[in-house]
This record gives sequence, structure tokens and C-alpha cells, in this order.
Amino acid sequence: SQTIHQWPATLVQPVGSPLSLECTVEGTSNPNLYWYRQAAGRGLQLLFYSVGIGQISSEVPQNLSASRPQDRQFILSSKKLLLSDSGFYLCAWSEDERTTGYFGPGTRLTVT
Amino acid sequence: AQSVTQPDIHITVSEGASLELRCNYSYGATPYLFWYVQSPGQGLQLLLKYFSGDTLVQGIKGFEAEFKRSQSSFNLRKPSVHWSDAAEYFCAVAVTGGGNKLTFGTGTQLKVEL
Repeated sequence: SQTIHQWPATLVQPVGSPLSLECTVEGTSNPNLYWYRQAAGRGLQLLFYSVGIGQISSEVPQNLSASRPQDRQFILSSKKLLLSDSGFYLCAWSEDERTTGYFGPGTRLTVT
Repeated sequence: AQSVTQPDIHITVSEGASLELRCNYSYGATPYLFWYVQSPGQGLQLLLKYFSGDTLVQGIKGFEAEFKRSQSSFNLRKPSVHWSDAAEYFCAVAVTGGGNKLTFGTGTQLKVEL
């Protein structure tokens, strides 16, 4: 069966510091991978979407970037964090419609 | 673009009472539909989902949802609520052929009175 991992679970970072969040999926090949963010006042929002290695689509303009260096690895980054980057970051995967809807445990980011 | 509306921001029910959480979507064709639950400080747990076939979908924790095409709705129901059901509930849609990207409603906060 498939398993999705995210780390770290919790992160507190100062404004202006860099960010790297990692998501990995086990038990599947060539999945679609997604980064969502849940932030106060903005609900749950899709940030990035990837259909394969090196293929990233940005859904909303922002201070963040994403990369997919390996088939089952998805990384969310920032060079300089803003206060508005605080939130709960969730990674998700799918192969097709029947495997859509499964999320990792999330990373709670607080920017101070 | 598709959208999801959850008209009730907060709902309070007594333990043992029945529950219905509303979800309406806007999309030109039949989307894929999902319900999630989120407890405080926790991630998203998938309760159930609809792709095709039987419009009454059974999920985990005793929840069910019914897809009504004529009303563009996918309401979540439970016949008898338990205190542990207190949480936030999210409805989501994914468009067919749209890369399985989810659009979420704003959520309904459920409070259960003992």
C-alpha cells in the first residue's frame, strides 16, 4: 500500500530565513504530487502540482517554489520566508481519480 | 473554474442526534467529490469520496454522503453523532481530467453537546 511522509512535522522559523519541506511517497511509481497550504483566512489552497520529475506547475503566485528531484520526492522551498508563509503545509499524491484525495500528515510552519 | 460552497460555518448538535453537513459545488460536468475531517492540530482524514456509480456513498466512522446531480450537492450525513465527531469538516471537488487537483470549501466546524 502507499504511504506518504512529510517532515519536519513542526517548524518555527524567523522572517527572512530559508525553508525546505520534504514529502516522499512509498508504494507507487510516477504519481502526481501536490502541495497544499491551509492558512488562516485563506482556507485550503493548492500551491504546486507535479506530474513528473522536474515538471512543476504553480497554482498561485507566492514567495515559495517547488522541486521534484526524484520520482517520489517533492520539495517545497523558500529563499526568504515572510510572515504570511505561516500555515499548515500538506502534501498529497494520486495516480488516477481512484487514488485521489490522500494527504500526508502535514508540516506546521510558524514564521516569527 | 469549479467552486465549492459549505453554507454553514458552525453547526452544533447534541450527542446522539442526526447530522447533515451541506456542500454545493459549481462545475459544468460531474466532478469527483470528497469529504474530509480535521481535528484540532491534525491533518486531513478522508471520510469518503464519489467518482461514479451509486450516488449514496458509505464512508468511515459511520458517515455517508449522497450525490444529487440536480441540486449540485454532496451532503454528508450521520444518523447518530458521537462527542468524538467534533471537528472541522471539509468538502472538496476535483474536476474530471483536471489532474486530480482538489478545490476545497471553507469548512464547517461541528460542535457536539453532551
